[in-house]
Amino acid sequence: NAGVTQTPKFQVLKTGQSMTLQCAQDMNHNSMYWYRQDPGMGLRLIYYSASEGTTDKGEVPNGYNVSRLNKREFSLRLESAAPSQTSVYFCASSEGANGGRNYGYTFGSGTRLTVV
Amino acid sequence: GNSVTQMEGPVTLSEEAFLTINCTYTATGYPSLFWYVQYPGEGLQLLLKATKADDKGSNKGFEATYRKETTSFHLEKGSVQVSDSAVYFCALQGGSEKLVFGKGTKLTVNP
Repeated sequence: NAGVTQTPKFQVLKTGQSMTLQCAQDMNHNSMYWYRQDPGMGLRLIYYSASEGTTDKGEVPNGYNVSRLNKREFSLRLESAAPSQTSVYFCASSEGANGGRNYGYTFGSGTRLTVV
Repeated sequence: GNSVTQMEGPVTLSEEAFLTINCTYTATGYPSLFWYVQYPGEGLQLLLKATKADDKGSNKGFEATYRKETTSFHLEKGSVQVSDSAVYFCALQGGSEKLVFGKGTKLTVNP
């Protein structure tokens, strides 16, 4: 089925370890996003990519880096994980600013990350 | 900047009860408004949307009307089912800005 695929679904890291969360979409969308979800905080935007070759910071970018590898793939990297980065991470995509306004975003099923 | 405020949860209802989840927003211009639903262990799914004032979005028995005069987009359903138990997020997107979410309202429906 068409959509947004995230890997892995679950991950446990030790403080200081690094890892990359993978995201791929097969809807030919221009824009992709990374959010984190924490209890009582809703979803907060970490980074986004309006189009292939561009990335920009969102609301909570500290401690993260991203790569828009091609139009389909947008990865999120934690260089030195901290317990404060324990969260559920969601990747999303949209056709672009206007597409997002008209059709909304499509979300992946999430990566549950625990940093101990 | 743009922001969304939705009612605090959790909300607990009996099956067939009427549901209202309040959502108000602050935005410049004419944003699009959305309700997303998150079932346990899953990602967010678009439930309904409205792109201009007085539009009514509807899906799966849920409705919400874009009220510019009260800057509101309240979610309603006439008769909830156990399967509607989920977390509901109100969201807005204005111009070229990114989607902004409310904090979510957890709904539990008991048989």
